[in-house]
Amino acid sequence: DIQMTQSPSSLSASVGDRVTITCRASQGIRNDLAWYQQKPGKAPQRLIYAASRGGVPSRFSGSGSGKEFTLTISSLQPEDFATYYCLQHSAYPWTFGQGTKVEIK
Amino acid sequence: QVTLKESGPVLVKPTETLTLTCTVSGFSLTKTTMGVTWIRQPPGKALEWLAHIFSNDEKSYSTSLKSRLTISKDTSKSQVVLTITNMDPVDTATYFCARGDYNSALDYWGQGTLVTVSS
Repeated sequence: DIQMTQSPSSLSASVGDRVTITCRASQGIRNDLAWYQQKPGKAPQRLIYAASRGGVPSRFSGSGSGKEFTLTISSLQPEDFATYYCLQHSAYPWTFGQGTKVEIK
Repeated sequence: QVTLKESGPVLVKPTETLTLTCTVSGFSLTKTTMGVTWIRQPPGKALEWLAHIFSNDEKSYSTSLKSRLTISKDTSKSQVVLTITNMDPVDTATYFCARGDYNSALDYWGQGTLVTVSS
């Protein structure tokens, strides 16, 4: 199975900050990487798929290919405080990263 | 409008078999590339991918749980069913179903259903 390593596991940031979260795959997965945002008690919501597609709202962007991927929030908003997960959708069984909790500084 | 909704017992006893149902609407379980995936999340922990059923009825399972999982679908009812045998307290989690395929990853999710395993 492909292992997904996400970093950091948590971070503290202020409104307006630029935030970057990284996901590394144990083997190459082309650009088959999605990012999800999850708020407490809610289902995850897809932000990005195929590494860089999606990006709604536009302050969310994704990049990378092969083994290393990045989710960037260009200007953190109050509603962005949540936990973020990556998911490789390249080879079954699909696998998630361990999550990154974004907290208010 | 695509929707998915999970249903099943809230509480199961250790060693029992859990049966969860995902009822879908707004897309076909057979006529598109889209399949249905089950995911779970223990309280306070990360998401775990469990199983996927393709539109052509092929299946894929988590390597670590494969021996305990069975996924199937009833297209007449627009339902996907997941069974997990020999439940244990560590299987306590919120169970989600989601629509997905290779191109789109998991795009629509159900709200999830919390299952507690306790005697």
